[in-house]
Amino acid sequence: SAVISQKPSRDICQRGTSLTIQCQVDSQVTMMFWYRQQPGQSLTLIATANQGSEATYESGFVIDKFPISRPNLTFSTLTVSNMSPEDSSIYLCSANAESETQYFGPGTRLLVL
Amino acid sequence: GESVGLHLPTLSVQEGDNSIINCAYSNSASDYFIWYKQESGKGPQFIIDIRSNMDKRQGQRVTVLLNKTVKHLSLQIAATQPGDSAVYFCAFLGAMDSNYQLIWGAGTKLIIKP
Repeated sequence: SAVISQKPSRDICQRGTSLTIQCQVDSQVTMMFWYRQQPGQSLTLIATANQGSEATYESGFVIDKFPISRPNLTFSTLTVSNMSPEDSSIYLCSANAESETQYFGPGTRLLVL
Repeated sequence: GESVGLHLPTLSVQEGDNSIINCAYSNSASDYFIWYKQESGKGPQFIIDIRSNMDKRQGQRVTVLLNKTVKHLSLQIAATQPGDSAVYFCAFLGAMDSNYQLIWGAGTKLIIKP
């Protein structure tokens, strides 16, 4: 398994600003993923973070709003840009190594005022 | 489209009893299924997985059953404890927009009654 940490764990931001969330894995992993989870709901995949190439975004999510970096095999960032209250959510990072099993970080709880 | 559905959004169980959480999926081509547990304020935690060439797999106090005929997945928790209180998600590996990714169920909240 992989141990995943995220920073910050929570934040309160003003609308119009941007927040960058960091995800660190304790071992080299092939795939990293970013999800959004509204309270009391299931997970929605935002994008797959590819090392050495641009992230692959799911329908409804665009690079200008959620730019992603993946500079190496253990680290990724997700930026939530030009935030509005609708961006208030839990943002989760996950990763898998040799198998399809995804392991998750603790999440970043974002509140936009 | 592909989907995963749960039969019960909330399940209340007496402490010490067994819990059964059910999940239905729509894609008969999927070959990998996972159960996750998410406690309040935490990320999803892997519990157990099963591949389509099996119909049962056991872990510590948990058993996953897969019925491919009716596309049904269940998680059984034996001797439920207060620490089992959480939301449980099933997920399966499926194709979305030509990419394989985890397709998630809506979640079942398990409440343990003392």
